Amino acid sequence: DAGITQSPRHKVTETGTPVTLRCHQTENHRYMYWYRQDPGHGLRLIHYSYGVKDTDKGEVSDGYSVSRSKTEDFLLTLESATSSQTSVYFCATGPPQGSYEQYFGPGTRLTVT
Amino acid sequence: AQSVSQHNHHVILSEAASLELGCNYSYGGTVNLFWYVQYPGQHLQLLLKYFSGDPLVKGIKGFEAEFIKSKFSFNLRKPSVQWSDTAEYFCAVSISGTYKYIFGTGTRLKVLA
Repeated sequence: DAGITQSPRHKVTETGTPVTLRCHQTENHRYMYWYRQDPGHGLRLIHYSYGVKDTDKGEVSDGYSVSRSKTEDFLLTLESATSSQTSVYFCATGPPQGSYEQYFGPGTRLTVT
Repeated sequence: AQSVSQHNHHVILSEAASLELGCNYSYGGTVNLFWYVQYPGQHLQLLLKYFSGDPLVKGIKGFEAEFIKSKFSFNLRKPSVQWSDTAEYFCAVSISGTYKYIFGTGTRLKVLA
């Protein structure tokens, strides 16, 4: 598996507070992604990045922003957390040279109370 | 909009039974196809992938999948499941030449010992 770490791994926060999740990769992959996983919905793309400072929205981007100032780091910010953002967040990177797949990080479980 | 359908949401099998999980996608052009597996409490791992060539692809742990272009399908199979195959399985599609992925809602497989 690619070297992908996420921090924090677990977080409980209160409604209305800002939250930042970090994804770090050591594979020098060009693309990085943030997904959320919810029962019955599978994985849904929040935002993705195709290079440093190059980002685009996914299907569930409202309430989220991202930044990528270095190839290895991709930050996801919940500007004002809501209970509907309680979820498991996965970072992914890819593709490896000559291929097309993604590799996933271990996930961050976020609870908004 | 492109979509991926996994019709079986929950599957329960006894050990040694055969497995087939359905995956259909809606896109008329060239696609890359993936199956990922998520064991309890873990992140997604690539099970197998199809980009081109032989439509029958073999993955890890005895899994295989067949791409049938005329049916827009990429079904996952295993002739004899084991208790350790208990997991959630996700089908994913990317449009060839792009690096955005669409995931199905997942199929939870429980294998009874």
